[in-house]
Amino acid sequence: QKEVEQDPGPLSVPEGAIVSLNCTYSNSAFQYFMWYRQYSRKGPELLMYTYSSGNKEDGRFTAQVDKSSKYISLFIRDSQPSDSATYLCAMNTGRRALTFGSGTRLQVQP
Amino acid sequence: DVKVTQSSRYLVKRTGEKVFLECVQDMDHENMFWYRQDPGLGLRLIYFSYDVKMKEKGDIPEGYSVSREKKERFSLILESASTNQTSMYLCASSQDGGRSYNEQFFGPGTRLTVL
Repeated sequence: QKEVEQDPGPLSVPEGAIVSLNCTYSNSAFQYFMWYRQYSRKGPELLMYTYSSGNKEDGRFTAQVDKSSKYISLFIRDSQPSDSATYLCAMNTGRRALTFGSGTRLQVQP
Repeated sequence: DVKVTQSSRYLVKRTGEKVFLECVQDMDHENMFWYRQDPGLGLRLIYFSYDVKMKEKGDIPEGYSVSREKKERFSLILESASTNQTSMYLCASSQDGGRSYNEQFFGPGTRLTVL
């Protein structure tokens, strides 16, 4: 079983929809939870990070962590075609290396 | 602006060839990483380095080696390329900020095809 599970999609939504992306994990030592966005033919870029449980909001994006359920989510409000990308969750224990999910491909249709 | 560059965007090699992938970062980061990215498997860590001449194995080090002679440069070496090493290879770097989320900055990737 992988340490981090993520539905690969693809997920196709109309412009303006609310998008929910999720990951589950098995290692209870993870403390930092991140979402990276990867556009086609580019490397991933950090979108948001959260420490421990709780919510964090940044514009149209909200990251949510539920450590009791070992479940993290990224919500995108008012989705735009420019949000079309692969979204990777990542987490670590505070040490150097990250553990990534397999990524969810999102397509926002105009 | 942090910049991580990789020597090639696309590379085609033959089975058995020795392959060098180079990565350079310009932000004086202590940590550097090599991943491979495959559909359905996501990013898997091959090796990382936290200092010059220091390295640690990641999840899938078999068939690979690395070299870090200078702080800004991290090389991935495929001693004898095989077809199952056909993949997208991503380099990343991060500052050593103690116990933290340690944001990693990625290069654009090298798509390697081994025939």
